[in-house]
Amino acid sequence: AQRVTQPEKLLSVFKGAPVELKCNYSYSGSPELFWYVQYSRQRLQLLLRHISRESIKGFTADLNKGETSFHLKKPFAQEEDSAMYYCALLEYGNKLVFGAGTILRVKS
Amino acid sequence: DVKVTQSSRYLVKRTGEKVFLECVQDMDHENMFWYRQDPGLGLRLIYFSYDVKMKEKGDIPEGYSVSREKKERFSLILESASTNQTSMYLCASSSAPSKAGALYEQYFGPGTRLTVT
Repeated sequence: AQRVTQPEKLLSVFKGAPVELKCNYSYSGSPELFWYVQYSRQRLQLLLRHISRESIKGFTADLNKGETSFHLKKPFAQEEDSAMYYCALLEYGNKLVFGAGTILRVKS
Repeated sequence: DVKVTQSSRYLVKRTGEKVFLECVQDMDHENMFWYRQDPGLGLRLIYFSYDVKMKEKGDIPEGYSVSREKKERFSLILESASTNQTSMYLCASSSAPSKAGALYEQYFGPGTRLTVT
């Protein structure tokens, strides 16, 4: 079965510090991976997808097939980055498998 | 702009009651999904639907059923609510891959926080 693992429930960093939210997956094929974000009192929304190789709000994520990882990174955290972050894997049939999520707290 | 709406933001029900959660999307999406969101467990798929009158079980369908009579509406039904169904319920929709191409995305509603007492 496909699985997505986010090992950290909570990541707390100071403003201006680098951020890395970890995500590991297991998938018997060519994976398609996403990061979703949920800010306080807002709906869950797509942050970025690996196939677009994009940088959104300063965040990037590189797919590492050798390590089966898709970690989310940002060089300098901002207070408005505080949110719940979910890593997700696209299964057949357009289903997403989500990790347990990581709360990011950026302290001033 | 995609809009997914859910009928209630907060709901309090008693054990044994039949509960209906409604979801409507306005983007003519083929796929619709129901998840529950619990701390430490992430989002878990309850049921999903590829088309009108079609439904598929997700990872945790026990105690739930769904109905999709119209393309834009997907209902989640708790036949006899229990306290372990207290949770945040999220609805989502997406295009079929032939339309979305490589840029797949699920769009989420605001959620319904259900408390069963």
